[in-house]
This record gives sequence, structure tokens and C-alpha cells, in this order.
Amino acid sequence: DAKTTQPPSMDCAEGRAANLPCNHSTISGNEYVYWYRQIHSQGPQYIIHGLKNNETNEMASLIITEDRKSSTLILPHATLRDTAVYYCIVRVPGTASKLTFGTGTRLQVTL
Amino acid sequence: DAGVIQSPRHEVTEMGQEVTLRCKPISGHNSLFWYRQTMMRGLELLIYFNNNVPIDDSGMPEDRFSAKMPNASFSTLKIQPSEPRDSAVYFCASIQLATSTDTQYFGPGTRLTVL
Repeated sequence: DAKTTQPPSMDCAEGRAANLPCNHSTISGNEYVYWYRQIHSQGPQYIIHGLKNNETNEMASLIITEDRKSSTLILPHATLRDTAVYYCIVRVPGTASKLTFGTGTRLQVTL
Repeated sequence: DAGVIQSPRHEVTEMGQEVTLRCKPISGHNSLFWYRQTMMRGLELLIYFNNNVPIDDSGMPEDRFSAKMPNASFSTLKIQPSEPRDSAVYFCASIQLATSTDTQYFGPGTRLTVL
């Protein structure tokens, strides 16, 4: 699995958009970008994933650059409950299925 | 669906005792993973099963750790004998492999404290 780089922490005001970046410059053609988050004392939770097109679901949007070397997870209207550690993972789905978690970005949403 | 179920949620034991952690994956999922999380090392994959067969146990720290999956609805992670450095939160996750989303669903974890 390709290595990812994320900022260690970010702050966001409640109600504003939270934009979490991830660099994955060594991503290969068949690897997808996955985002998970871990709220304190809970298990990691899947958010969204994509290959090369932008994706949106009820939780977030995922913007992947054209060269696929980086991506941004967008929480359009952050709430206090979105305070968590966010992990960006790149992998080939349906294979070994191993998730390699890095250190992630600790997002603090404030009033 | 109740999601991935883990028991116990908390376990406190003394060094040298045997510890057994349990996991019930989501019904219909065919792959199961055991992870360990500590402040120092973050989330680490210990072992995973596909169709009840262990596929990769390279993350298992040492012989004191063993995992079994006797059927599709149950798995155990055993530590014998336990040591203080085994203190961590242990997560179980399951997945329906070969689906387009290929996402893992995690249980609430078992917080293990070895005194």
C-alpha cells in the first residue's frame, strides 16, 4: 500500500467547512483513496473512498487531483461531533484487504 | 444489523493470566481482522481471516498471541501469558470482500489493562 502524508492536526469552527488534505504521491493506478475517522474511544468508521473522480456521500466529499497524487476530504458543515482523528489510506480493494493506518489528522471542531 | 460485536468491552487482569477477547462479525461478512491500538504505535493489524482461514498473521507480536475463527460468526484472540505491555485497545473488524466498496466495519473495541 502506498504511503500517505497528512498534517498532524487541524482546527475548524463549527458550521464551517473542514478541508483535510492528504498526499499520496506514490499511489499506483489501481489503488483507491479511502478515508476513515476515529472518534475518541470508538472504533474507526468508514467515511468515503474514490479512485479518480470526485465523490460525495451523506458524510463528506472527496476531491482527488487529476494526477491522483493528493486528495482532500471535505466536511461541508463541521459539527462538534466531527471532532476525531481522520485517516487517509490508499489501497487496492478486494485484495489483501489490509488497512494500514498512519498517524492521521486530529481535527478539532470548536464553537 | 447490530454491527461488529466485541466482548468484553473492558478487561483488567494481572500479568501472567490468560486473556481471551471475542468478536462476532457482521452476518454475511467473509473477512475478519484483529487490530491493536496504543498511543505509541497507533493502529496495528495483528491478523486477518478470509473465509475463516488465517491469511496474514505477520502482525502477531509473538507466540503468546493466538487467534482462531472456528466459524463465520465467531473469532477469538488469546494472549497467554499476558504482560503489561499488552495493554491496549483491541479492535475487531469485518468486511464483505469482493464488494465494490470494500470497507471495513469496526467493533467498539476491548480495552485491555494488564497489571
